[in-house]
Amino acid sequence: NAGVTQTPKFQVLKTGQSMTLQCAQDMNHNSMYWYRQDPGMGLRLIYYSASEGTTDKGEVPNGYNVSRLNKREFSLRLESAAPSQTSVYFCASAMGDISKGGELFFGEGSRLTVL
Amino acid sequence: LAKTTQPISMDSYEGQEVNITCSHNNIATNDYITWYQQFPSQGPRFIIQGYKTKVTNEVASLFIPADRKSSTLSLPRVSLSDTAVYYCLVGDEDTGRRALTFGSGTRLQVQP
Repeated sequence: NAGVTQTPKFQVLKTGQSMTLQCAQDMNHNSMYWYRQDPGMGLRLIYYSASEGTTDKGEVPNGYNVSRLNKREFSLRLESAAPSQTSVYFCASAMGDISKGGELFFGEGSRLTVL
Repeated sequence: LAKTTQPISMDSYEGQEVNITCSHNNIATNDYITWYQQFPSQGPRFIIQGYKTKVTNEVASLFIPADRKSSTLSLPRVSLSDTAVYYCLVGDEDTGRRALTFGSGTRLQVQP
């Protein structure tokens, strides 16, 4: 099984450009998440989707949009990239309620640099 | 945001037992406590999870006192490969506990 797959793994953008980070999971999980991690910092939640058809903001949603395309796929879009969005982006998925006994499975990360 | 507090960093030597304590004073009645490990350039991975008392698996033990306001991750006989960042998580109240919030974690450095 591939688990959680993120594309692209590396991307360099110029300020103002747009791009979409793709995430797909093959574990039939209900919930999916996007986090960002700045150098030397912990992960911060951008958006999450508790189930297919729903999306909600996390701690740092400004400058991002998401789409839960289907149960497998959850994409993150930067409409107008800014240098402050230079970070490593992690997608994760979970089967059930992760605060009540579930486990998060993470992708390998997408490293984005905005010049 | 549900808050957890952990030491920023810890140092140890190979073969020693390492205990990392996390405080979570606002934990909800139904919340589990989960610990993740992250190596450089990788996503976090699940280590252990518990609700109360003690949980043990092949890599770690988790001790949770009766009031559940703190927890301690115990790594027996650490090796160099245990050098990583360790995160303690409980439900994020701002998301209705549908997501987990990662704090800054504890950076464990194991020396030979």
